[in-house]
Amino acid sequence: GIQVEQSPPDLILQEGANSTLRCNFSDSVNNLQWFHQNPWGQLINLFYIPSGTKQNGRLSATTVATERYSLLYISSSQTTDSGVYFCAVGPRGSTLGRLYFGRGTQLTVWP
Amino acid sequence: GAVVSQHPSWVICKSGTSVKIECRSLDFQATTMFWYRQFPKQSLMLMATSNEGSKATYEQGVEKDKFLINHASLTLSTLTVTSAHPEDSSFYICSASPGPGQGSQPQHFGDGTRLSIL
Repeated sequence: GIQVEQSPPDLILQEGANSTLRCNFSDSVNNLQWFHQNPWGQLINLFYIPSGTKQNGRLSATTVATERYSLLYISSSQTTDSGVYFCAVGPRGSTLGRLYFGRGTQLTVWP
Repeated sequence: GAVVSQHPSWVICKSGTSVKIECRSLDFQATTMFWYRQFPKQSLMLMATSNEGSKATYEQGVEKDKFLINHASLTLSTLTVTSAHPEDSSFYICSASPGPGQGSQPQHFGDGTRLSIL
């Protein structure tokens, strides 16, 4: 199956700092989603972004499909941003919608 | 729109018990749903693809007789962990998306079920 690599695995920030999370994938994709998993395990969908750039408040994401990577930007981080961020992709040609997840980035934001 | 509901959110039971987890699409129909499992500090791994009206497709290494999947309607898939043992303790989460063309649409996830087997 398609390989998904996320970096960095761990990130520790002070409140107010900016950060960039990266997701590399090994093949063409139909689907790419960024999730935030909160301490209760809920997967919060941040972006559906198989290509292009999107912004939602302090968060933005860019996917360069031709180069097989995506970036998630968090600006002015807050303690509530802490948690695990997952990138998940659906391979091109897949008609059903299964996702392959990266190992995630554990973000800790200190006050 | 596109809400997926999962129930129960937390189960604690004795070894040998069978546990049923429900995954419902509340405002759309889903011919396909997915079941993932997540162990502590690890990523999500697909267990099986649930197909409405037909047999589920299991990933390699997932025991079909241990994890029974039923997708009897376009809005409900169930995962039954049969004769659960402590090693089955994990976080189980389902996903679905409206059709057609699910491969090119975002997947919507339930809130997950934390299963603890004593």
